[in-house]
Amino acid sequence: AQSVTQLGSHVSVSEGALVLLRCNYSSSVPPYLFWYVQYPNQGLQLLLKYTTGATLVKGINGFEAEFKKSETSFHLTKPSAHMSDAAEYFCAVSGPSGGYQKVTFGTGTKLQVIP
Amino acid sequence: GAVVSQHPSWVICKSGTSVKIECRSLDFQATTMFWYRQFPKQSLMLMATSNEGSKATYEQGVEKDKFLINHASLTLSTLTVTSAHPEDSSFYICSAKDSQGQNQPQHFGDGTRLSIL
Repeated sequence: AQSVTQLGSHVSVSEGALVLLRCNYSSSVPPYLFWYVQYPNQGLQLLLKYTTGATLVKGINGFEAEFKKSETSFHLTKPSAHMSDAAEYFCAVSGPSGGYQKVTFGTGTKLQVIP
Repeated sequence: GAVVSQHPSWVICKSGTSVKIECRSLDFQATTMFWYRQFPKQSLMLMATSNEGSKATYEQGVEKDKFLINHASLTLSTLTVTSAHPEDSSFYICSAKDSQGQNQPQHFGDGTRLSIL
């Protein structure tokens, strides 16, 4: 079975600073990886996904993530934080067990942006 | 982009009543939809996988008779919380996968906040 671990339940950055949210996965075979964002009292919005191909994935709102097999990581980055980026971010994984249908979510990282 | 509509967004009801939540894929067909429950400040926990035209697959520990799922069409799945009690109060979120194409991600509804008095 696959799983993800998000390091840091809360991350604070200054407006304009680099955003780095960490995610490590555990899977015996190459998984599919996702980052979702959740604003208060809302569902989840897909930021980006990795399935196959290029390991550097660009998403919406200026976010990107790099799949590093050697480090089993899929960290989310954004060069310059904006106030509107304050939200909760979830890393997620799906794998061949269940035909890549079921997604397992990490525990989430709440991003605070300080003006 | 793919849109999933979830209704209602907020519901308050008395203990013992049943509540139905709808999840619709508006611009795509979804043979598979998912129902999640999210407790405050926690991650999403998969409750069940809803398959169009067949029985839902429930995760371990989720009561089938308590949380009834119906997926009667390619664009609609419903979750009915039967005889709801205060401990059922939570944020329920559905998601759907586009039936067309490989490697499609899940698209999420905006969730339903259920409060049982």
